[in-house]
Amino acid sequence: GAVVSQHPSRVICKSGTSVKIECRSLDFQATTMFWYRQFPKQSLMLMATSNEGSKATYEQGVEKDKFLINHASLTLSTLTVTSAHPEDSSFYICSARVAAGVEQYFGPGTRLTVT
Amino acid sequence: EDKVVQSPLSLVVHEGDTVTLNCSYEVTNFRSLLWYKQEKKAPTFLFMLTSSGIEKKSGRLSSILDKKELSSILNITATQTGDSAIYLCAVDANSGYALNFGKGTSLLVTP
Repeated sequence: GAVVSQHPSRVICKSGTSVKIECRSLDFQATTMFWYRQFPKQSLMLMATSNEGSKATYEQGVEKDKFLINHASLTLSTLTVTSAHPEDSSFYICSARVAAGVEQYFGPGTRLTVT
Repeated sequence: EDKVVQSPLSLVVHEGDTVTLNCSYEVTNFRSLLWYKQEKKAPTFLFMLTSSGIEKKSGRLSSILDKKELSSILNITATQTGDSAIYLCAVDANSGYALNFGKGTSLLVTP
């Protein structure tokens, strides 16, 4: 089956620093990748839709200057949390859609803790 | 506004019980409904349903879609402690865009 990886799986950073999270589709090409955020005991909240070669589409309320998304190739999208604050601490999950299909395959997630 | 509602929000059962999880939706341009299981990490794909009345089955799990009632159920028979997880229902209302997720049903199976 389709495999999506995320790196790092866990990161702790200091307030004010930036953190980059990578999402890769390992055995398929993904024209579209999605970034979600999940708070404890809550469902996934879509942050943005990332299309290869074009600007990401952000959901209402998500600051595009704070959460920078780059989808440089058909197998890689990155999310950079800039000037992180403790309230940005969360579980960030990416998913990738097989170009011709509907299924979304999720990465294992990245646990971000900002101290 | 597209909406996906799951019920119950949480459930505690004993090993061996059968459970039924519900998902209802109100979306425009429905394409498919998907079920995911989420344990400690990211969700894993269970089923994708596009046609009404056709049951999809995988081991002790099965699911069916009712487009007339705008709903789906996920059944788990002979539950085991390893079935404890959050079960997420998501609807694809416009291919190429993100899925609309329900809040999930948190299932706890006790020995």
